Amino acid sequence: EVQLVQSGAEVKKPGESLKISCKASGYSFRSYWIGWVRQMPGKGLEWMAIINPGDSETGYSPSFQGQVTISADKSIGTAFLQWSSLKASDTATYYCARRLWSDGYYAMDVWGQGTTVTVSS
Amino acid sequence: EIVMTQSPATVSVSPGERVTLSCRASQSVSSTLAWYQQKPGQAPRLLIYGASTRANGIPARFSGSGSGTEFTLTISSLQFEDFAVYYCQHYNNRPPGLTFGGGTKVEIK
Repeated sequence: EVQLVQSGAEVKKPGESLKISCKASGYSFRSYWIGWVRQMPGKGLEWMAIINPGDSETGYSPSFQGQVTISADKSIGTAFLQWSSLKASDTATYYCARRLWSDGYYAMDVWGQGTTVTVSS
Repeated sequence: EIVMTQSPATVSVSPGERVTLSCRASQSVSSTLAWYQQKPGQAPRLLIYGASTRANGIPARFSGSGSGTEFTLTISSLQFEDFAVYYCQHYNNRPPGLTFGGGTKVEIK
């Protein structure tokens, strides 16, 4: 079964660092790009960043460039999203998702279960 | 930067009825448009990609159409499990990136 399993919920203080993970199974990890999507409480979906695990090429939303870092470790089939200094406004649920390519089109076809991050003093 | 606008923000529908959701792109995106369903407390689920191709396991009552700047998602006969929020999304290959619409909530009338 193809699945993405994310790390557990986090509670952090402003200014702390954080790295959350997304472990892939059931397919060739290096063959599919992985993206991260933010959902703030009661709000919509926002794309943050995407990575090609095969060669580590990345892309960032202008809204998140410089705020987060996406990475991947092919040896363990896991993608990561990290912050160096969290803010209260980073409180949200974060989803990883796999990029499908089919018939010349792209979409995010497999999603992780979400990681809830709470940042509060 | 391409902006995706969905309308309406909320629609009230009775089970068994047909509902059509709209998504507009600020400039042409050809057919690089996907639709997702999200229920409370759950991750989004891919419904449609390439504007009109149903993803694996998606019931035939879901259909997508459009190209360029105007797109629609139609649910032909709403089932109770279809009450959810629906998002459209454009994917840009180079540079790689995604843009989501703001979502349409389909609620029970």
